[in-house]
Amino acid sequence: NAGVTQTPKFRILKIGQSMTLQCTQDMNHNYMYWYRQDPGMGLKLIYYSVGAGITDKGEVPNGYNVSRSTTEDFPLRLELAAPSQTSVYFCASRSGTGSSYEQYFGPGTRLTVT
Amino acid sequence: GENVEQHPSTLSVQEGDSAVIKCTYSDSASNYFPWYKQELGKRPQLIIDIRSNVGEKKDQRIAVTLNKTAKHFSLHITETQPEDSAVYFCAASGNTGNQFYFGTGTSLTVIP
Repeated sequence: NAGVTQTPKFRILKIGQSMTLQCTQDMNHNYMYWYRQDPGMGLKLIYYSVGAGITDKGEVPNGYNVSRSTTEDFPLRLELAAPSQTSVYFCASRSGTGSSYEQYFGPGTRLTVT
Repeated sequence: GENVEQHPSTLSVQEGDSAVIKCTYSDSASNYFPWYKQELGKRPQLIIDIRSNVGEKKDQRIAVTLNKTAKHFSLHITETQPEDSAVYFCAASGNTGNQFYFGTGTSLTVIP
């Protein structure tokens, strides 16, 4: 199992550009999450999904969009990038069945908007 | 929503000493409390977690305690080693487990 994979690892965007951060998991997990981590801070939830076709906003959704057309993929779309979106983005997944709530994180995408 | 506060933000201990990190939460409906370790440039990894129906859980040198009445939980690391140096995050989840709210992290340095 590759677990949770993210692409790209690094990206530099100019203000106003758009991009999609890719996230894929091969564990057949129902739940998937997108977080951002600013320097010296904890993780803030952007969006989450409880299954294919279902998404919902987290704490900091403004400026982002998501879709979940398959169980495996959960892309995060940034429209009109702003410097405030400079951050490290982590995707995570968890099973949603059984008693475990453990989240498995991807390696992260470091995004700089200049 | 939930609000999780974590203290201290930095902690230095001598190798072999114990380290304690504390978190408080605001939503009494939260019922799952994980702790994550994040090494520099790496992804967060779960090290221990506790459910609200349990007061304490231990895994070798790591333990977590939960006080539901006071709405706080703590991470205890005994016999610290240099490889324990990392940033530790606590988190809390509501009763559905759909959203997780993280503390701001504690940077632990173990001095050899």
